[in-house]
Amino acid sequence: EAGVTQFPSHSVIEKGQTVTLRCDPISGHDNLYWYRRVMGKEIKFLLHFVKESKQDESGMPNNRFLAERTGGTYSTLKVQPAELEDSGVYFCASSQADTNEQFFGPGTRLTVL
Amino acid sequence: GENVEQHPSTLSVQEGDSAVIKCTYSDSASNYFPWYKQELGKRPQLIIDIRSNVGEKKDQRIAVTLNKTAKHFSLHITETQPEDSAVYFCAASRATGGFKTIFGAGTRLFVKA
Repeated sequence: EAGVTQFPSHSVIEKGQTVTLRCDPISGHDNLYWYRRVMGKEIKFLLHFVKESKQDESGMPNNRFLAERTGGTYSTLKVQPAELEDSGVYFCASSQADTNEQFFGPGTRLTVL
Repeated sequence: GENVEQHPSTLSVQEGDSAVIKCTYSDSASNYFPWYKQELGKRPQLIIDIRSNVGEKKDQRIAVTLNKTAKHFSLHITETQPEDSAVYFCAASRATGGFKTIFGAGTRLFVKA
């Protein structure tokens, strides 16, 4: 069974540009989570989808971040316009409907110059 | 808001010694406590978890203990091996799907051969 996949693995952009990250959860997992880790700090919760609905987006830093999960399958996280402090590793995780055992993707390392 | 404190941030042990990582959490409603291991360049992987209806759980060389009254939980690794070297994250959440997971800042464990 394929695990959680994320694309791209790395992205280097300039301040003010736009970047879109993609996450494909494990097939059949209703729950999809986005996290961000800034070097040396915690894995910080950003938001949580249940199928196509946003269950909790309390961790989203500001309105420059937009997450979608149309159709309840893959999800995208768009940052527009990117700022220097957005740099970090963005992880996606998924879990089945009745459990919080989360499986993580490999992450996307975003560098904003 | 909810938070998880994790100590130490760095831990260096000699191969064969034990390693202990401690965490405290703030949300009294948390009842699920997973531990993730992240090797260099790889994704976080669940290594063990504990639910609040038990005080201790063991899986070969790793064990977790939970003190719900004090809101403390710990990871114990015995007979450490070089391949145990990684960053370890504790987390607190609720057992059923649909609730965000709060992570600690991570502990970088070095096991010296």
